Amino acid sequence: DVKVTQSSRYLVKRTGEKVFLECVQDMDHENMFWYRQDPGLGLRLIYFSYDVKMKEKGDIPEGYSVSREKKERFSLILESASTNQTSMYLCASSPTGQPYEQYFGPGTRLTVT
Amino acid sequence: AQKVTQAQTEISVVEKEDVTLDCVYETRDTTYYLFWYKQPPSGELVFLIRRNSFDEQNEISGRYSWNFQKSTSSFNFTITASQVVDSAVYFCALRPASGGSYIPTFGRGTSLIVHP
Repeated sequence: DVKVTQSSRYLVKRTGEKVFLECVQDMDHENMFWYRQDPGLGLRLIYFSYDVKMKEKGDIPEGYSVSREKKERFSLILESASTNQTSMYLCASSPTGQPYEQYFGPGTRLTVT
Repeated sequence: AQKVTQAQTEISVVEKEDVTLDCVYETRDTTYYLFWYKQPPSGELVFLIRRNSFDEQNEISGRYSWNFQKSTSSFNFTITASQVVDSAVYFCALRPASGGSYIPTFGRGTSLIVHP
């Protein structure tokens, strides 16, 4: 079974802190994604990566950066956390070829106070 | 540009009722894939089904069935005899099948609440 794991299920940070969210997948997928999920807004893509050291901005990259040094690991970084970044963060991976669907991690619920 | 619309924000039913979740999409691509995912209260999105644009056959899996109609750009999901365990947020998604873009577009989700 494909497994996508995220480093924390719940995280509480203070405004201005640097925050790292880690995601690891074990299926050798080329593509990895970070989304945030907010009530009424669905899933919004923050960043994605299609290969090691490659990254592309999604729909809402402001205030975030990412790192992909190894194929299996994709990190989301909040350089200076703000209260409006309180949200559920979901990581996903998918192969470039079939079967195409994404596999999601359990999510990290981040609260910034 | 792609767009996926799930007009139903929340649906509330009583157990054993049938319920249909609507998904309407827009795309200029001639080939594409459609997906449904389920997000239970635990938070992790779970893949339910993939359908490619060449295949308009409806699919049934137990109490779940999917109706893909290319003519109306819809990919609706029906749960027959709903159960409390079906309570979740359901997302419809669309992804091009070619052209190098593998970024799916998600709808905003439909929250299904099944009351005992």
